[in-house]
Amino acid sequence: GAVVSQHPSWVICKSGTSVKIECRSLDFQATTMFWYRQFPKQSLMLMATSNEGSKATYEQGVEKDKFLINHASLTLSTLTVTSAHPEDSSFYICSARTVTGGNTEAFFGQGTRLTVV
Amino acid sequence: GENVEQHPSTLSVQEGDSAVIKCTYSDSASNYFPWYKQELGKRPQLIIDIRSNVGEKKDQRIAVTLNKTAKHFSLHITETQPEDSAVYFCAASSYTGGFKTIFGAGTRLFVKA
Repeated sequence: GAVVSQHPSWVICKSGTSVKIECRSLDFQATTMFWYRQFPKQSLMLMATSNEGSKATYEQGVEKDKFLINHASLTLSTLTVTSAHPEDSSFYICSARTVTGGNTEAFFGQGTRLTVV
Repeated sequence: GENVEQHPSTLSVQEGDSAVIKCTYSDSASNYFPWYKQELGKRPQLIIDIRSNVGEKKDQRIAVTLNKTAKHFSLHITETQPEDSAVYFCAASSYTGGFKTIFGAGTRLFVKA
């Protein structure tokens, strides 16, 4: 299957700082990538849909100024958590789907565990 | 908004028994239904999927059924093994101006040896 790489796998940062997470599709082009947040023992909550070359579409309740998404190329989307606070600590995971074909499976990155201290 | 309900939240079975996980969805535009398996600390991995023009699909010990009228779909695992223990997520995906996939809350499956 297609490979999606997410970096970093884990990060610890101080309150008030910003953290950037990268999501790359390694062997396919992805016009659309998705960013999810997962709390312990809970489901994947869609935060936003990242579209190459255009603005991201945010889900209700997700602050776009706090979670900045950039999808500059067909293989890279970034999520920046700005002015991080301890409540932002979570597991963030991206997924990407291939350009061709209709509605198909999305491939997940390995996730990023963010801890804000 | 759209949502996907998944039951049960926890399922414990004896090795060799079958396990069934059920989901319902609300968005009638959903036309693709993947199932993911997530082991602790790892990424979700697709195990089987079904499209809205199909009622049933099977892959070895895993099968999925879809009732589009009732907006129900189910995962069936037969002859369960300890390595099947994980969290399973159903999802419903649609395309309305853009792709969108909504996940169920997950089912934690324990297979006892």
